[in-house]
Amino acid sequence: DAMVIQNPRYQVTQFGKPVTLSCSQTLNHNVMYWYQQKSSQAPKLLFHYYDKDFNNEADTPDNFQSRRPNTSFCFLDIRSPGLGDAAMYLCATSRDSAGGNQPQHFGDGTRLSIL
Amino acid sequence: GESVGLHLPTLSVQEGDNSIINCAYSNSASDYFIWYKQESGKGPQFIIDIRSNMDKRQGQRVTVLLNKTVKHLSLQIAATQPGDSAVYFCAENLGSTLGRLYFGRGTQLTVWP
Repeated sequence: DAMVIQNPRYQVTQFGKPVTLSCSQTLNHNVMYWYQQKSSQAPKLLFHYYDKDFNNEADTPDNFQSRRPNTSFCFLDIRSPGLGDAAMYLCATSRDSAGGNQPQHFGDGTRLSIL
Repeated sequence: GESVGLHLPTLSVQEGDNSIINCAYSNSASDYFIWYKQESGKGPQFIIDIRSNMDKRQGQRVTVLLNKTVKHLSLQIAATQPGDSAVYFCAENLGSTLGRLYFGRGTQLTVWP
């Protein structure tokens, strides 16, 4: 039973053409994250939503935006993809807890290619 | 087998042996640590986590050890199996309570029959 679902698994877009990646979750977690993972590298946090509050990482380019219309869905928008944006994009969720940090649950990612 | 994740990104062990994957974390403010396993073409899969008020935690065939004095984390896998072959990442929270995680370099574990 998939709990964090990313669509599509593979996405091809043209240089400079806007693209949107989707993530949905059935866990009812209030925190959702987007990571970028380039080949043979660690996942790098781009931003996250704590409920409806958007939190950007300081070094995330303005070219990357995100939307969270409701608890279950979160989107990653790349306004003008460049060749350097080709990567795996991972969505994750976690449950906020008064007891502190909780594990993040990841989807299987969308691999983005730029032509 | 033993690996320092920052300097030896690969570790090869024979099936049935124990594996030790090491990680040096960066920030003394970090109080939550987590190990993930990532198989090719898949997202990271949670293995085990530990908070800074502990120095050892055990799961099924896995043990995580935390040494806050030298900022060192290790993952021990007992009786390693071919299905354990994957990239293993450690992650720390840099003191954030909002769930943000920062991943270290991964270690590619290969298990030979």
